[in-house]
Amino acid sequence: TQLLEQSPQFLSIQEGENLTVYCNSSSVFSSLQWYRQEPGEGPVLLVTVVTGGEVKKLKRLTFQFGDARKDSSLHITAAQPGDTGLYLCAGGQQIQGAQKLVFGQGTRLTINP
Amino acid sequence: NAGVTQTPKFRVLKTGQSMTLLCAQDMNHEYMYWYRQDPGMGLRLIHYSVGEGTTAKGEVPDGYNVSRLKKQNFLLGLESAAPSQTSVYFCASSYPWRRAEGYTFGSGTRLTVV
Repeated sequence: TQLLEQSPQFLSIQEGENLTVYCNSSSVFSSLQWYRQEPGEGPVLLVTVVTGGEVKKLKRLTFQFGDARKDSSLHITAAQPGDTGLYLCAGGQQIQGAQKLVFGQGTRLTINP
Repeated sequence: NAGVTQTPKFRVLKTGQSMTLLCAQDMNHEYMYWYRQDPGMGLRLIHYSVGEGTTAKGEVPDGYNVSRLKKQNFLLGLESAAPSQTSVYFCASSYPWRRAEGYTFGSGTRLTVV
């Protein structure tokens, strides 16, 4: 059972365009994290959001946590070829004090020059 | 500053063989995790540990065993490998969740079972 649904799974756009990736669930999470993964490497944390309605910006990337803490979005403004990669959202569920993460399927983003 | 180190990086096993994947972290993290990544499935949690000497099952634990004898090491064992265990395996570690610092992942082990 996939608790987190990411969409789209694949996205190919031209340099300079804007895009949004969505991460949806019927479950409530204590936090929502976004990771980026390069080929042959492990995921690297981009941002953590913990409060419903929270918005965080990382240069041209804007992350938002839904008011009910069930969904999140990643918006990229003026995409660049260097943004190409696999983007993963992950919802945090607290168990025994540890934040167990549930991952979405990922969005493979390609920015064409 | 090595972070999380996984060995080996690549391995090919025959069905029925056994092996151990090694994970070591140098960040003094309490918590460690093993995930597998398959196309279209995302990352799925196999086992995790909240401290030295403790382990717990994740989402897909069948066919795997783990041990955390030292705080810095987390071992994943396959007793009798099956083709369904062909995957990329990632180890990760973290502080307690309230620090909201996320996981630090290793670079993965690509395992093929033939």
